[in-house]
Amino acid sequence: GQNIDQPTEMTATEGAIVQINCTYQTSGFNGLFWYQQHAGEAPTFLSYNVLDGLEEKGRFSSFLSRSKGYSYLLLKELQMKDSASYLCAVRDSYGQNFVFGPGTRLSVLP
Amino acid sequence: DARVTQTPRHKVTEMGQEVTMRCQPILGHNTVFWYRQTMMQGLELLAYFRNRAPLDDSGMPKDRFSAEMPDATLATLKIQPSEPRDSAVYFCASGLSQDRANSPLHFGNGTRLTVT
Repeated sequence: GQNIDQPTEMTATEGAIVQINCTYQTSGFNGLFWYQQHAGEAPTFLSYNVLDGLEEKGRFSSFLSRSKGYSYLLLKELQMKDSASYLCAVRDSYGQNFVFGPGTRLSVLP
Repeated sequence: DARVTQTPRHKVTEMGQEVTMRCQPILGHNTVFWYRQTMMQGLELLAYFRNRAPLDDSGMPKDRFSAEMPDATLATLKIQPSEPRDSAVYFCASGLSQDRANSPLHFGNGTRLTVT
């Protein structure tokens, strides 16, 4: 089966660093994607990992360990506008389906 | 910027009525996904297509939902008859398939459906 887990909610302070974890068990693997979704809006693509290691993209970085079925999204120098839900998604290699996790709602406080 | 276009943005209807949602994928994309999102369930896959062929619609209640791609520029999701529990935001997303492994899905702005 397909199963993706993320913490439901997190809170952090403006200017701080926060790490959002994602664990997955899927029938196949062809990449892990992170999306940001502000309330009332569509998810937008943030980052992609297919090989183990860290991918850095400005204030956002994403890490993957395929052997552990684990990824995290690291947000640095948090800003108020980073308050949103963060969705982890796995593309399975068989059907090229995208399976989304439940999302983590991040609140950035002043 | 190329984007996925969904219509209508909002739909309010009465129980028992037919609802049709439309999606225009990004030109050149060959996969189209339909998701439903509620506060309780998160993003739930309903159906997806590759090169206009349905690959998986196991997440869709077949007795009332149907999804089609009459051509490469249009995907439709129909509910007949609609029920209050169908109230949700319905997202369409498009992307490129296996040969572009790092290609993400691009989402439309969604259709917010309310069934009374």
